Amino acid sequence: GNSVTQMEGPVTLSEEAFLTINCTYTATGYPSLFWYVQYPGEGLQLLLKATKADDKGSNKGFEATYRKETTSFHLEKGSVQVSDSAVYFCALSDVRESNFGNEKLTFGTGTRLTIIP
Amino acid sequence: DARVTQTPRHKVTEMGQEVTMRCQPILGHNTVFWYRQTMMQGLELLAYFRNRAPLDDSGMPKDRFSAEMPDATLATLKIQPSEPRDSAVYFCASGFQPGTGYTFGSGTRLTVV
Repeated sequence: GNSVTQMEGPVTLSEEAFLTINCTYTATGYPSLFWYVQYPGEGLQLLLKATKADDKGSNKGFEATYRKETTSFHLEKGSVQVSDSAVYFCALSDVRESNFGNEKLTFGTGTRLTIIP
Repeated sequence: DARVTQTPRHKVTEMGQEVTMRCQPILGHNTVFWYRQTMMQGLELLAYFRNRAPLDDSGMPKDRFSAEMPDATLATLKIQPSEPRDSAVYFCASGFQPGTGYTFGSGTRLTVV
């Protein structure tokens, strides 16, 4: 079955530091990969996505590259801000037509990020 | 911006009572998910629908939980009877095309005492 493993948290960084949150996946098909962010008291928001190997998703200064050879989709940001403090979830969905019904999102356990001024 | 609307935002109920949570997916979205989030288990898929038909509800305790889509604008998740272990945040999400990601609602925080 499909699974996502992401970096254990919590992660605490100083403002303007470089961020990496590791994510690796196991999938039987051809998954799309996602990063979601959850701010306190809110639902999950799609941060970025990549649908095929070597695609790079980017948004709000965050980036992640779909690496099929290492089955990874690590999240990076060059200079974090206090407002980036949140929980980050890596996720995948298998979108093969032949696997109808497998497009549900499989989530990692989440990584809590705290940025201190 | 289009959004997924969940009601109520918060619910406190006594053990044994029936709880109904509602979700209004984004107009035009044909896939709806129910997830439950707890500190211990993280995000768990309870059920999902495409074009109002249930595709997978294997994550849902069948004896007490039920999920339905009476029409394209409403999805419901019902717990009867509720138990303290059901305390969690329940999220609804909707989407149209696999691979594009899904939009989540703000959740219903359920506390069963």
